Amino acid sequence: NAGVTQTPKFQVLKTGQSMTLQCAQDMNHEYMSWYRQDPGMGLRLIHYSVGAGITDQGEVPNGYNVSRSTTEDFPLRLLSAAPSQTSVYFCASSYGQGAYNEQFFGPGTRLTVL
Amino acid sequence: GENVEQHPSTLSVQEGDSAVIKCTYSDSASNYFPWYKQELGKRPQLIIDIRSNVGEKKDQRIAVTLNKTAKHFSLHITETQPEDSAVYFCAASTGDYKLSFGAGTTVTVRA
Repeated sequence: NAGVTQTPKFQVLKTGQSMTLQCAQDMNHEYMSWYRQDPGMGLRLIHYSVGAGITDQGEVPNGYNVSRSTTEDFPLRLLSAAPSQTSVYFCASSYGQGAYNEQFFGPGTRLTVL
Repeated sequence: GENVEQHPSTLSVQEGDSAVIKCTYSDSASNYFPWYKQELGKRPQLIIDIRSNVGEKKDQRIAVTLNKTAKHFSLHITETQPEDSAVYFCAASTGDYKLSFGAGTTVTVRA
């Protein structure tokens, strides 16, 4: 099993550009989520999904969209990139439909917005 | 929403000594408390977790204690080794859909 995969590993954008961060898991997990990691701020939840077709906002959703058309994939879209979105982004998945089991993280995407 | 505070932000220990990291949470309904370890440039990985129906859990050199009355929980690492050097994150969940993380503790084990 590949576990949780993310692409790309690194990305540089200009302010105002849009892009999609890809996330996929092959463990048949219902719950998937996106976090951003900034120095001194831990991991902050952006959006989460409890199953195909169901998504909801986390702690810092502004400027991001998600969709969940399949169990395996959970892409994160930046609509109009801003320098404040410079961060490391982690996708995670877990068994069940809640955040009460081990979260399996992807390798991360380091995004820089100029 | 849930607010998790973690202390200290950095911790330096001599190899073989113990390390203790403390976290407090705000929502008394929280009932799941995991700890994640993140090595430099790597993804976070679960090292231990505890649920509110127990007060302490051990796994070899690591242990977690939970005080629900005071709303705090702690990670204890005994006999520290160089490979314990990493960033450690505590987290809390009310058992619904959101996991709230602390800001992290950078642990350095000196040889």
